[in-house]
Amino acid sequence: GAVVSQHPSRVICKSGTSVKIECRSLDFQATTMFWYRQFPKKSLMLMATSNEGSKATYEQGVEKDKFLINHASLTLSTLTVTSAHPEDSSFYICSARDGLGGGNIQYFGAGTRLSVL
Amino acid sequence: QQQVKQSPQSLIVQKGGISIINCAYENTAFDYFPWYQQFPGKGPALLIAIRPDVSEKKEGRFTISFNKSAKQFSLHIMDSQPGDSATYFCAASFDTGGFKTIFGAGTRLFVKA
Repeated sequence: GAVVSQHPSRVICKSGTSVKIECRSLDFQATTMFWYRQFPKKSLMLMATSNEGSKATYEQGVEKDKFLINHASLTLSTLTVTSAHPEDSSFYICSARDGLGGGNIQYFGAGTRLSVL
Repeated sequence: QQQVKQSPQSLIVQKGGISIINCAYENTAFDYFPWYQQFPGKGPALLIAIRPDVSEKKEGRFTISFNKSAKQFSLHIMDSQPGDSATYFCAASFDTGGFKTIFGAGTRLFVKA
């Protein structure tokens, strides 16, 4: 299947710093990318949807100024957690949709474990 | 109306047994139903998927059964193995007015050796 690369896999940072997470589709053009947050033993919570070259659409309750999303190309999206605080500690997962070749198929990255001290 | 209800929440199966996970939906606009497998600390991986014009799809030990009239679909894992122990998520997606995928709450499967 298609590959979505997410980096870093784990990051530990101090409170107040910003963290950037990258998501790349390696062998297909991702017309749409998604960012999820997952709490322990819970399902995936969609944070935002982004289409290449346009502003991200955030889900209700997600602070767009805290979670900055950039989808500059068809293969790269980034999530920046600004001024991170301990409550932002979580597992963040990106997903890319192969809208051109695969219809509704979403492929997921391996996730990023963020720990804010 | 956009919910996808998944059950059971957890499941313990003997090695060699059949694992069955069920999902139900309400929105008839959904047109794609994937199942994802997630191991601890990893992202979900697409396992198998089905479209509503098909009642069953089989890939190896994994089978999706789809009942359009009942708005239900299920995942069957035949000859369950300890390596199948993971969390399984059903999902439903549509692409009307914007692509969207709704995930079930997940089922934690443990296969006893």
